Amino acid sequence: AQSVTQLDSHVSVSEGTPVLLRCNYSSSYSPSLFWYVQHPNKGLQLLLKYTSAATLVKGINGFEAEFKKSETSFHLTKPSAHMSDAAEYFCVVRLSNQGGKLIFGQGTELSVKP
Amino acid sequence: DGGITQSPKYLFRKEGQNVTLSCEQNLNHDAMYWYRQDPGQGLRLIYYSQIVNDFQKGDIAEGYSVSREKKESFPLTVTSAQKNPTAFYLCASSIDQGWTEAFFGQGTRLTVV
Repeated sequence: AQSVTQLDSHVSVSEGTPVLLRCNYSSSYSPSLFWYVQHPNKGLQLLLKYTSAATLVKGINGFEAEFKKSETSFHLTKPSAHMSDAAEYFCVVRLSNQGGKLIFGQGTELSVKP
Repeated sequence: DGGITQSPKYLFRKEGQNVTLSCEQNLNHDAMYWYRQDPGQGLRLIYYSQIVNDFQKGDIAEGYSVSREKKESFPLTVTSAQKNPTAFYLCASSIDQGWTEAFFGQGTRLTVV
């Protein structure tokens, strides 16, 4: 069965320090993978996507993620956190063999301390 | 501007009443989706549609119904059979069912009073 596991439900960092949000996936097929960000009571905004091109993917707002097939991971990183990065982040797998269904991780809440 | 519009943003319903949530997109996307979001549970798929006049149940379809009479519209009805309807509902669309990303609306928060 396909699944997505976000290894931390909550991550807290200080402003200016690196961010690491961890995601592991399980998929029988070559997946397309995404990271979305959600601010309170808002919709989801796409940060970045992996669709079998370069394994290191750069997204908006300085975020990037590396696809590691051997580790079935797609961790999200940012070199220096900003206060505005505080939000909930979702790792998502898309199943092209099942009508494009999106499988969501449980989410990681990122807090940024001044 | 192209995008997905959900309305209303906040909705209150009395127990025993059906209510319909609107989702409209002008992106010319074929696929549309409805998700429910509850604290600590991520997003769960209610229904999805790959093409006009066709839709499939997702993981938690009980107590919900949808229609897809037009490409741009995918309304969700929360029926009185849904035991715990209070939640945040998100509509999404994508150009196809393949590798492209999905775009999300701003959500509707439904509260049963």
